[in-house]
Amino acid sequence: DAGVIQSPRHEVTEMGQEVTLRCKPISGHNSLFWYRQTMMRGLELLIYFNNNVPIDDSGMPEDRFSAKMPNASFSTLKIQPSEPRDSAVYFCASSPGQLQYFGAGTRLSVL
Amino acid sequence: DQQVKQNSPSLSVQEGRISILNCDYTNSMFDYFLWYKKYPAEGPTFLISISSIKDKNEDGRFTVFLNKSAKHLSLHIVPSQPGDSAVYFCAATSGGNRDDKIIFGKGTRLHILP
Repeated sequence: DAGVIQSPRHEVTEMGQEVTLRCKPISGHNSLFWYRQTMMRGLELLIYFNNNVPIDDSGMPEDRFSAKMPNASFSTLKIQPSEPRDSAVYFCASSPGQLQYFGAGTRLSVL
Repeated sequence: DQQVKQNSPSLSVQEGRISILNCDYTNSMFDYFLWYKKYPAEGPTFLISISSIKDKNEDGRFTVFLNKSAKHLSLHIVPSQPGDSAVYFCAATSGGNRDDKIIFGKGTRLHILP
């Protein structure tokens, strides 16, 4: 298995633009997590899904952030409109019920 | 309010010596603790874990100690090797369902010096 696949690896955009981050979890994993890593806050959970259903989105910072999981093999995290303070590394992780397996992350820079 | 705290942003240790990374938590409901390791430009990977029913778990060079009364855990790496240079995240979760969210600390950057 190729592991959790995230795209793009790097994204540079201008303030106000829409940004969509993509994640393909490991096949067979029933939970999917979106995290954001910053120097100030470390690794913080944004939202997680179980069997494609959002379970806890309390970590989503604002209404500008939204996440979807239309099927078991794909999820998106969208920021609209993006702001410079959204600049961070965004990780997706999937889990079969025990450990979480992380993708390589998307480094987002909002200018 | 941080539920999992790693108060040392960085740590430097001589190769061959022991590395000790510390972690404190505030939520007494946490019953399962994990350490993840992260190299630059990669995602975190699982390293070792411990259940609250134990006070020690060992896996090769890595040992995690849990002190429930102090709400403290530590990761010991002996002997430290250059490949151990990475960011280490302490994490905790509660409940028997491991689908529950994991709370991560901010991480400690470990530098192994030659």
